[in-house]
Amino acid sequence: GNSVTQMEGPVTLSEEAFLTINCTYTATGYPSLFWYVQYPGEGLQLLLKATKADDKGSNKGFEATYRKETTSFHLEKGSVQVSDSAVYFCALRTSGTYKYIFGTGTRLKVLA
Amino acid sequence: GAVVSQHPSRVICKSGTSVKIECRSLDFQATTMFWYRQFPKQSLMLMATSNEGSKATYEQGVEKDKFLINHASLTLSTLTVTSAHPEDSSFYICSARETSGSTDTQYFGPGTRLTVL
Repeated sequence: GNSVTQMEGPVTLSEEAFLTINCTYTATGYPSLFWYVQYPGEGLQLLLKATKADDKGSNKGFEATYRKETTSFHLEKGSVQVSDSAVYFCALRTSGTYKYIFGTGTRLKVLA
Repeated sequence: GAVVSQHPSRVICKSGTSVKIECRSLDFQATTMFWYRQFPKQSLMLMATSNEGSKATYEQGVEKDKFLINHASLTLSTLTVTSAHPEDSSFYICSARETSGSTDTQYFGPGTRLTVL
């Protein structure tokens, strides 16, 4: 079946450090891939997405590239800020459906 | 961006009672809403798809008689956990699908934490 695996947290970084959160997926067909972020006390917000292989999603300094050959969609940011502290969810949506399959979430804590 | 609210944000109830959770799309109409459940340190798991004016579609393994879903209007879906038991304690999250023009996006609510004593 379809699934998403992402690295366990928490991830603790100093401000301005480089961030990578790994995400791999298993899916039939050609899914769309997403990263959602959840700040404390708030709902999940779409951070970025990619709908086909080799697409790069980017937003607020975060990037992720849809790698079909490695079935991965790793999230990266060159210089994190304290305000980036949140839980990050990788998700996929198979073509023709509106159902999302989420990873377990990775908590990021950025220290000043 | 579009906002989806949930009420209440937290609820504690006694075993055997029923609890209703509301999900509202505040600035758009949502013909389809979704209900998810999240256990600690686990993924969000889709429970059911709620369609305005029709019966909800439940995922395999989800008891439809226990988790009653009503999508009575284009901006409101409710999830009622009937005869709640401690194993129903969880974090429940809804999302609403906005389709207007070229837009097809899901927006998530902040979640409701249910604790059953």
